[in-house]
Amino acid sequence: ETGVTQSPTHLIKTRGQQVTLRCSSQSGHNTVSWYQQALGQGPQFIFQYYREEENGRGNFPPRFSGLQFPNYSSELNVNALELDDSALYLCASSFRRVHPTDTQYFGPGTRLTVL
Amino acid sequence: GEDVEQSLFLSVREGDSSVINCTYTDSSSTYLYWYKQEPGAGLQLLTYIFSNMDMKQDQRLTVLLNKKDKHLSLRIADTQTGDSAIYFCAERGTDSWGKLQFGAGTQVVVTP
Repeated sequence: ETGVTQSPTHLIKTRGQQVTLRCSSQSGHNTVSWYQQALGQGPQFIFQYYREEENGRGNFPPRFSGLQFPNYSSELNVNALELDDSALYLCASSFRRVHPTDTQYFGPGTRLTVL
Repeated sequence: GEDVEQSLFLSVREGDSSVINCTYTDSSSTYLYWYKQEPGAGLQLLTYIFSNMDMKQDQRLTVLLNKKDKHLSLRIADTQTGDSAIYFCAERGTDSWGKLQFGAGTQVVVTP
């Protein structure tokens, strides 16, 4: 059973550019959540995808968007990058059940630096 | 501000027990989690406790939950140098999509 993987591991962009981050869910998982972790802080929830649809969103602007594919891999897209977008981006996969016992397993993250 | 609060730093001697504390505000939380993050890495799930439990033990880890005070603690017995990391507690609410609310993390430094 493979764990959650993310690519790339590091990325440097300039202000105003667009970026796409990728996540491959753990085998058998059908739900993916994305989190932003700024330096020295805990992760902040961006959004969650379940069966290819956005299923919940945190306090992030629309320039943060995502996709989930039929194989349950996922992308996080950020448009019009700002300096404050510099952070570690984490994806977490889980298996949605009838009762809320779906534990989230995290990938290693993508470190994004915006100059 | 954070709905989940943790002390920022803990120093402990190798072989001693570590106790990391966390307070949360959402009384409807269903599950509470402890994650470990080593430098440059993602989050590793350590353990979790359902909100109707008081205690859960898993090898060297003991989780205590005081639901009345909304207080959660993680005790690590026989702390080792490999336990040096940042520890996050997180609460999961009753919404159907399972958003986790994290604290800012407690940095644990284990000294020889």
